[in-house]
Amino acid sequence: DTAVSQTPKYLVTQMGNDKSIKCEQNLGHDTMYWYKQDSKKFLKIMFSYNNKELIINETVPNRFSPKSPDKAHLNLHINSLELGDSAVYFCASSLQGRANEKLFFGSGTQLSVL
Amino acid sequence: DQQVKQNSPSLSVQEGRISILNCDYTNSMFDYFLWYKKYPAEGPTFLISISSIKDKNEDGRFTVFLNKSAKHLSLHIVPSQPGDSAVYFCAAYATFTGTASKLTFGTGTRLQVTL
Repeated sequence: DTAVSQTPKYLVTQMGNDKSIKCEQNLGHDTMYWYKQDSKKFLKIMFSYNNKELIINETVPNRFSPKSPDKAHLNLHINSLELGDSAVYFCASSLQGRANEKLFFGSGTQLSVL
Repeated sequence: DQQVKQNSPSLSVQEGRISILNCDYTNSMFDYFLWYKKYPAEGPTFLISISSIKDKNEDGRFTVFLNKSAKHLSLHIVPSQPGDSAVYFCAAYATFTGTASKLTFGTGTRLQVTL
């Protein structure tokens, strides 16, 4: 039973389209995250939510809108996709969102914008 | 500004030998460090961590060493096994921030364990 699951695993789309990535965790964690791994392999935080409340938005364009209907789900909607959005997006969760907690990651969504 | 650096993008080691993966950091406020392991098409999984109050933490075949004065940590895998072939990410927290959202990752080192 997968702890953090995200769908789809692959997403190929045209510039200008709108797409969503879904994430669910069954660990009972309070905090969920979206990370982006770019072509240089940097894993960078985009957003974090604690109990459905936005905690961190790390200078991400407002074309990216996270939505957390409950603490087990954090979806990522991207409007007007650009070439530079091509990357691997990872969802993650941690118990309470405190420093020194380990993060549990989903398997990633590889987004290719053509 | 890359605050966590893994300067070796790849490393090849023979099965049974020791693998040593290195990580340097520049932010002196970092005081908790983690290593993650990542297989292709999977997400990173937690491997081992160390607090700055220690200089060594061991878990089975995996040992992490921390040299605070040099701002350097290393992960030792002994003995290396083919299943250890993966990308290893070093990550660091400044726990005074109080939030896990400030976890900073290195760019990873790809370890290949050969037969």
